[in-house]
Amino acid sequence: EVQLVESGGGLVQPGGSLRLSCAASGFTFSSYEMNWVRQAPGKGLEWVSYISSSGSTIYYADSVKGRFTISRDNAKNSLYLQMNSLRAEDTAVYYCARDRGYFGPEYFDYWGQGTLVTVSS
Amino acid sequence: DIQMTQSPSSLSASVGDRVTITCRASQGISNSLAWYQQKPGKAPKLLLYAASRLESGVPSRFSGSGSGTDYTLTISSLQPEDFATYYCQQYYSTPRITFGPGTKVDIK
Repeated sequence: EVQLVESGGGLVQPGGSLRLSCAASGFTFSSYEMNWVRQAPGKGLEWVSYISSSGSTIYYADSVKGRFTISRDNAKNSLYLQMNSLRAEDTAVYYCARDRGYFGPEYFDYWGQGTLVTVSS
Repeated sequence: DIQMTQSPSSLSASVGDRVTITCRASQGISNSLAWYQQKPGKAPKLLLYAASRLESGVPSRFSGSGSGTDYTLTISSLQPEDFATYYCQQYYSTPRITFGPGTKVDIK
């Protein structure tokens, strides 16, 4: 059974940092591209970042470029999102999501349960 | 970026009703469209991709159609477990993928 379990969310002050993790199991993690998608409270879905299966190709949404860093450790079946210079508008549930595509973010067939990041003083 | 709109933003329907949700892209997306279902407090679930391809395990009462800029999600006979919010998402302009704002389906 495919499982994605996020962790690392919490309350952080504006300008602070947080590192999210996503532990994958039930599939060959190193064969799949992965993404982070977020959802602000009561709002819709926003794609945040993508990483290829090898980690060699990375993309970011303009809203987080230069502040967030996606990475992965295929030996540990884990995906990460380092979030720096956090702003109130980054407050959201962050989901890791497995990508069905091959050449950049496409569509997502498995999602984690999400981890809540709250940026507030 | 390609902008996605959905209509209606919400609808009320009864069990057994046929429900249609429309998704429109600001430019043609060549069927590079996915649909997701999200229930409160839960992660989204993939329903369809490539506009009309049903994801494995998804009931056949869900179907998708469309071309160019206009796409539809149809639920042929609404079931109690289908009350949720539905999102479309284009991946034609990858990596600049975008989601629609969502359509909430609730009980009449």
